[in-house]
Amino acid sequence: AQKVTQAQTEISVVEKEDVTLDCVYETRDTTYYLFWYKQPPSGELVFLIRRNSFDEQNEISGRYSWNFQKSTSSFNFTITASQVVDSAVYFCALSEANTNAGKSTFGDGTTLTVKP
Amino acid sequence: DTGVSQDPRHKITKRGQNVTFRCDPISEHNRLYWYRQTLGQGPEFLTYFQNEAQLEKSRLLSDRFSAERPKGSFSTLEIQRTEQGDSAMYLCASSASMGQITSYEQYFGPGTRLTVT
Repeated sequence: AQKVTQAQTEISVVEKEDVTLDCVYETRDTTYYLFWYKQPPSGELVFLIRRNSFDEQNEISGRYSWNFQKSTSSFNFTITASQVVDSAVYFCALSEANTNAGKSTFGDGTTLTVKP
Repeated sequence: DTGVSQDPRHKITKRGQNVTFRCDPISEHNRLYWYRQTLGQGPEFLTYFQNEAQLEKSRLLSDRFSAERPKGSFSTLEIQRTEQGDSAMYLCASSASMGQITSYEQYFGPGTRLTVT
């Protein structure tokens, strides 16, 4: 069975600080996909990134970066120079390729509050 | 706007009543998913369609729940004889699948918040 753990329930930082959101996953599949989604106060989940299990290259997109390490089954998300608009709930999700369904298992989310 | 839409956005109903929600996915997406989200938790998978075929249902989906996607476009989720425990946000998502890539990112609608009194 697949499982995603986001151990940090809530994080509070002051604007311009860097913050890392942790994600640890469990799967028996050798081929799988990892995702991060953002859920702002308005409520709609927004896709941020997808990572394939066979591609361990880290990725940077503006102030966002992702560190994927298969050896520790982790897929952490770092926001550099955080801004108030980054305040949201962030979800990590896992999808196993063998189900051929693409359904995702989500963690319980990390609530990030960025204070001015 | 060609995103995922859901209707209604909010629904208040009395215990025992039936409710139906609608989801319109992104038009070129062949996969459609229903999830349920309660406060403080991530979305939980309920069911999934590829075109008009319902290919998987979670054990969370009791006999009181039924979903359809009759023409492979919009989908409906019906809950019969609602219970207070059904109160949650019901999310619809859609995604594309092509070739051997079976898991693209999902695009979510705004959700339907159900309150059962």
